[in-house]
Amino acid sequence: DGGITQSPKYLFRKEGQNVTLSCEQNLNHDAMYWYRQDPGQGLRLIYYSQIVNDFQKGDIAEGYSVSREKKESFPLTVTSAQKNPTAFYLCASNSNRSNKNIQYFGAGTRLSVL
Amino acid sequence: DAKTTQPNSMESNEEEPVHLPCNHSTISGTDYIHWYRQLPSQGPEYVIHGLTSNVNNRMASLAIAEDRKSSTLILHRATLRDAAVYYCIRPMNAGNMLTFGGGTRLMVKP
Repeated sequence: DGGITQSPKYLFRKEGQNVTLSCEQNLNHDAMYWYRQDPGQGLRLIYYSQIVNDFQKGDIAEGYSVSREKKESFPLTVTSAQKNPTAFYLCASNSNRSNKNIQYFGAGTRLSVL
Repeated sequence: DAKTTQPNSMESNEEEPVHLPCNHSTISGTDYIHWYRQLPSQGPEYVIHGLTSNVNNRMASLAIAEDRKSSTLILHRATLRDAAVYYCIRPMNAGNMLTFGGGTRLMVKP
């Protein structure tokens, strides 16, 4: 089945540690996105990529890094510089060829600090 | 700036219709209105979108005001599984990005 796969579902980070969240899609979408969601809040955009080998900062990029070496993959690294990383992280993708902007989301990764 | 305004929460009884309002008074002529919903501990899922005309699909109906400054998502018969946060969204000015505000938390009572 086509879709977006995020892994792991749950992740724990120790102080000073970098962790990487995986996001893979087989929808042949050009654009991919990372969002952060805090309890009871809406989604905030961290990074996005409209095409392979290119990505842009969103509203809250500090303390995060991404790469887009393959069309199917858009991993997010939460670095030790992100002092409050506990949140629900969501990856999404859509097609640049459509003006309808329908985004498809993964099931999310819940990150906690030990 | 989500550029849309929704009530924080609404309640409905099971098997009754639900009308979820959204104000988007600064919308441009070419902006689509999108609705997504997010079930607990899941990623958001697309519900419906429209430009000017009312729209129907298997999940819901979307009624767009004639001046396009507001819209209403209609669930014809609410079920317990419809309890979720519903987001009304306009695309950002450039590209395909969507800005998610706080949405409306729908509670469905049996």
